[in-house]
Amino acid sequence: AQSVSQHNHHVILSEAASLELGCNYSYGGTVNLFWYVQYPGQHLQLLLKYFSGDPLVKGIKGFEAEFIKSKFSFNLRKPSVQWSDTAEYFCAVNTNAGKSTFGDGTTLTVKP
Amino acid sequence: GAVVSQHPSWVICKSGTSVKIECRSLDFQATTMFWYRQFPKQSLMLMATSNEGSKATYEQGVEKDKFLINHASLTLSTLTVTSAHPEDSSFYICSGLDNMQGYNEQFFGPGTRLTVL
Repeated sequence: AQSVSQHNHHVILSEAASLELGCNYSYGGTVNLFWYVQYPGQHLQLLLKYFSGDPLVKGIKGFEAEFIKSKFSFNLRKPSVQWSDTAEYFCAVNTNAGKSTFGDGTTLTVKP
Repeated sequence: GAVVSQHPSWVICKSGTSVKIECRSLDFQATTMFWYRQFPKQSLMLMATSNEGSKATYEQGVEKDKFLINHASLTLSTLTVTSAHPEDSSFYICSGLDNMQGYNEQFFGPGTRLTVL
């Protein structure tokens, strides 16, 4: 069975700081990788996804993630965060069966 | 992307009553749908996989007699929380699986907040 580990439970940054959130997964086969964001009181929104091809994936709102197969990692990055990026971020993995496994989430707080 | 809706978006009920939550894929056919629950400040936990025309597959520890799932059509799955208790209060999220692009991708509904008094 696959599992997902997000290393940072709570990250606090000032505006304009750079962000990197870690995500590692364990699964021996082909995986699809996702990052979702959940703003306070709102539902999940897809930030970006990786299925195949270029391991550097660009998503919405200036976010990007890099798939490093040898490290089983899919870290999320943003060069300059804004106060509006304050939210919960979830990394998720699914296999060709379609069932997704989520990490525990990382709470990002951006101070104005 | 594909759109999934849920109804109701929130519901408050008395302990012992049953509550039905609907999950609809609006612009695609979802042979497979998933039901998750999310407790405050926690991650999504998969409850069950719902397949159109067949019985749902429940994750370990999820009571199938308490959380009844029906997937009667390619665009609708329902979750019924039977004899609800306060500990069932949670955020329930469904997703539909779409394979139109040649790979499986889940599209999530907005969630239903259930509060059991």
